[in-house]
Amino acid sequence: DMQLTQSPSSLSASVGDRVTITCRASQGIRNDLGWYQQKPGKAPKRLIFAASRLDSGVPSRFSGSGSGTEFTLTISSLQPEDFATYYCLQHNSYPPTFGQGTKVEIK
Amino acid sequence: QLQLQESGPGLVKPSEPLSLTCTVSGGSIGSSSFYWGWIRQPPGKGLEWIGSIYYSGSTFYNPSLKSRVTISVDSSKNEFSLKVTSVTAAETAMYYCARGGILTGDYALFDDWGQGILVTVSS
Repeated sequence: DMQLTQSPSSLSASVGDRVTITCRASQGIRNDLGWYQQKPGKAPKRLIFAASRLDSGVPSRFSGSGSGTEFTLTISSLQPEDFATYYCLQHNSYPPTFGQGTKVEIK
Repeated sequence: QLQLQESGPGLVKPSEPLSLTCTVSGGSIGSSSFYWGWIRQPPGKGLEWIGSIYYSGSTFYNPSLKSRVTISVDSSKNEFSLKVTSVTAAETAMYYCARGGILTGDYALFDDWGQGILVTVSS
């Protein structure tokens, strides 16, 4: 299976900080990657698809970039409601796989 | 607004089958060209794609589960279902249903998700 490795696994940050999460694929996946946010006890919510396209209603402080094997999710100014776990998902290679998750905690 | 709701038993005995249904409201499975899928998440762990089905009935399954999984769709009831045979305690998880994309390559690019249902496998 295609391996997706997220880094870091967890991070502590303050409100207003710029946060960057990386997702590396073991093989090239073009831009077939999405980013999801999951809060405790809730279903994941898609933020970004096609590596860099923002879903409707998602704040513009979220952005995605990358292609091939390396991708990033950036939160330009962390807000209290952004503390959550973030997952990347690749749907280029069968079977689709998720990264292991990055937990963003309050510093 | 599209809504998905999982239903089924919250407790299943080891070696028995797990059966769940996802009811879709706010949109028609039969008249829309979307994929629909199932994802699971063991407590405190990450997400695993189980499988996806097209509105017409064609399916994709995770090869790690393929011999034990069946996903079906009933357009007349606007629902799709998951069956996993011979479950073990390791398959205790939150099970989510979700809507995928339109293109074949987007069968697992899920946008709208149900709230999830916790299924515990225990005797």
